[in-house]
Amino acid sequence: GAGVSQSPSNKVTEKGKDVELRCDPISGHTALYWYRQSLGQGLEFLIYFQGNSAPDKSGLPSDRFSAERTGGSVSTLTIQRTQQEDSAVYLCASSPGLAKQFFGPGTRLTVL
Amino acid sequence: GESVGLHLPTLSVQEGDNSIINCAYSNSASDYFIWYKQESGKGPQFIIDIRSNMDKRQGQRVTVLLNKTVKHLSLQIAATQPGDSAVYFCAENIEHNFNKFYFGSGTKLNVKP
Repeated sequence: GAGVSQSPSNKVTEKGKDVELRCDPISGHTALYWYRQSLGQGLEFLIYFQGNSAPDKSGLPSDRFSAERTGGSVSTLTIQRTQQEDSAVYLCASSPGLAKQFFGPGTRLTVL
Repeated sequence: GESVGLHLPTLSVQEGDNSIINCAYSNSASDYFIWYKQESGKGPQFIIDIRSNMDKRQGQRVTVLLNKTVKHLSLQIAATQPGDSAVYFCAENIEHNFNKFYFGSGTKLNVKP
């Protein structure tokens, strides 16, 4: 079956522009996570969606970051007025509601 | 966030040897741990997990050991193969709060043929 997919796989943008990153989770998975991974670093939690509950946004680094999940499925992470320090790989994971997460391949964001 | 770190950033082993990757955590309330494998250009892949009521769990060629006394866990890979070359992360979860997992920075495993 299909795993978690993310698009685009690579995104190059200019400082100050807005970007949208998309995540298509595994069908039926109720939980969805966004993480950020800087070069040579571990995963930094950004946001967590679980069913119809209010998302846990406590990991978002600034108000330039936002995410939504429509219809309990596809999620979009939006970064406004991008900065160079936003450059990283953004990973999405989904879960059937248990702890085990299934990760997508990530979107590599480069802010020039 | 909580501190989850690794002792060795890079580990090189000969094909066929056993590998041991270590991870330390700081929060004694952590009760669930996962090891992930991340190959270049891919997302992390689940390997094995362990709950704090256990001190050892075995999978296929992998074993995770948990020492709650010193807040340390390790991943042992038996008969390491070239396909095992990747970055390995440990992640901790606190009190079944599935909102957040805290990840270490990873250890890169190089398997020499």
